Amino acid sequence: DAKTTQPPSMDCAEGRAANLPCNHSTISGNEYVYWYRQIHSQGPQYIIHGLKNNETNEMASLIITEDRKSSTLILPHATLRDTAVYYCIVHSGNTGKLIFGQGTTLQVKP
Amino acid sequence: DAGVIQSPRHEVTEMGQEVTLRCKPISGHNSLFWYRQTMMRGLELLIYFNNNVPIDDSGMPEDRFSAKMPNASFSTLKIQPSEPRDSAVYFCASSSTPKPYEQYFGPGTRLTVT
Repeated sequence: DAKTTQPPSMDCAEGRAANLPCNHSTISGNEYVYWYRQIHSQGPQYIIHGLKNNETNEMASLIITEDRKSSTLILPHATLRDTAVYYCIVHSGNTGKLIFGQGTTLQVKP
Repeated sequence: DAGVIQSPRHEVTEMGQEVTLRCKPISGHNSLFWYRQTMMRGLELLIYFNNNVPIDDSGMPEDRFSAKMPNASFSTLKIQPSEPRDSAVYFCASSSTPKPYEQYFGPGTRLTVT
């Protein structure tokens, strides 16, 4: 699976959009981009995934660049409950063998 | 739906003792995953099962670790003998075909080996 690079930490003001970047320059054509988050003391939670088109669900939006070498997870109106570690994972999707990196710690501040 | 259930939530044991962690996946899910999380190594996949059959155990640290899934609704992760370096949070997760990547995690078991 392709390696991902994320900033270790980010801050965001409550009510503002949180934009979390991820670089995956070695992604293969059949690999998807997945995002999970882990709130303190809980298990990780699936957020969203995409292949090449932008995706949106009730939790977030995923923007993937045209060359697929990077992506951005957008939380449109961050709340204090969105404070968590966010993991970007690249995987072919045919198995469940996900490799979690160190992720980005997002701190939403009042 | 009850979600993934793990027990115990906390376990404190002495070095050399046997430890058994338990997991009940979400009903209808056919894949089950065991992860370990530490500050130093992050979240690591230990083993995963598909339709009760172990598919990949390459993440299991050593022979002291074993996992079983006797039926679709129950799995165990056993450590025998336990060592202080096994102290970690152990998560169980489950998913269903055709979305093996959409995993639902349990609350975890915090293991402390003294």
